[in-house]
Amino acid sequence: DAGVIQSPRHEVTEMGQEVTLRCKPISGHNSLFWYRQTMMRGLELLIYFNNNVPIDDSGMPEDRFSAKMPNASFSTLKIQPSEPRDSAVYFCASSLSWEQYFGPGTRLTVT
Amino acid sequence: AQSVTQLDSHVSVSEGTPVLLRCNYSSSYSPSLFWYVQHPNKGLQLLLKYTSAATLVKGINGFEAEFKKSETSFHLTKPSAHMSDAAEYFCVVTTSETDKLIFGTGTRLQVFP
Repeated sequence: DAGVIQSPRHEVTEMGQEVTLRCKPISGHNSLFWYRQTMMRGLELLIYFNNNVPIDDSGMPEDRFSAKMPNASFSTLKIQPSEPRDSAVYFCASSLSWEQYFGPGTRLTVT
Repeated sequence: AQSVTQLDSHVSVSEGTPVLLRCNYSSSYSPSLFWYVQHPNKGLQLLLKYTSAATLVKGINGFEAEFKKSETSFHLTKPSAHMSDAAEYFCVVTTSETDKLIFGTGTRLQVFP
């Protein structure tokens, strides 16, 4: 099993640009989670899906952030427009029950 | 509401000595508790979990944790630290399989030769 796959691993972009982060969960898992990790705020849950349906998006910082899960094997997190304060590592995780399996993360730098 | 408090932001030990990473939890319901480890530039990996079975839980890499309801604690221990244990450790609480995980702020473990 390849585990949770995230792309790109690193993204550097200029303020105002659109950024799309991608996640492929482990096959058979029915829940998917997007997290953001920064030094200041630690690990924050942004949104999670169950059976492709968004269950809780209360952690999404503002309208510039959006997430979709069009099918069981793919999800995107989009930031439009991006700002320097969005610089962080974004993790995707998937689960079938208790244990969440994390991807390697996408390190986003917005200049 | 649930929460976890990791009492130490940094812990330093010498290789071969015991490790203790402290975690206290707050939960209105019977919690499930986890410890995750994050090595530099890596994702998080589950070390162990407590889900209301045995109160002493054994995990990977020789780590274990004991659930103490009276103390609302779930401290992580290892008898002998190894250099490869140097990482960030997160204590996590949830109350159901479908509920979101609540992460602590993390404890950075340094291991000196």
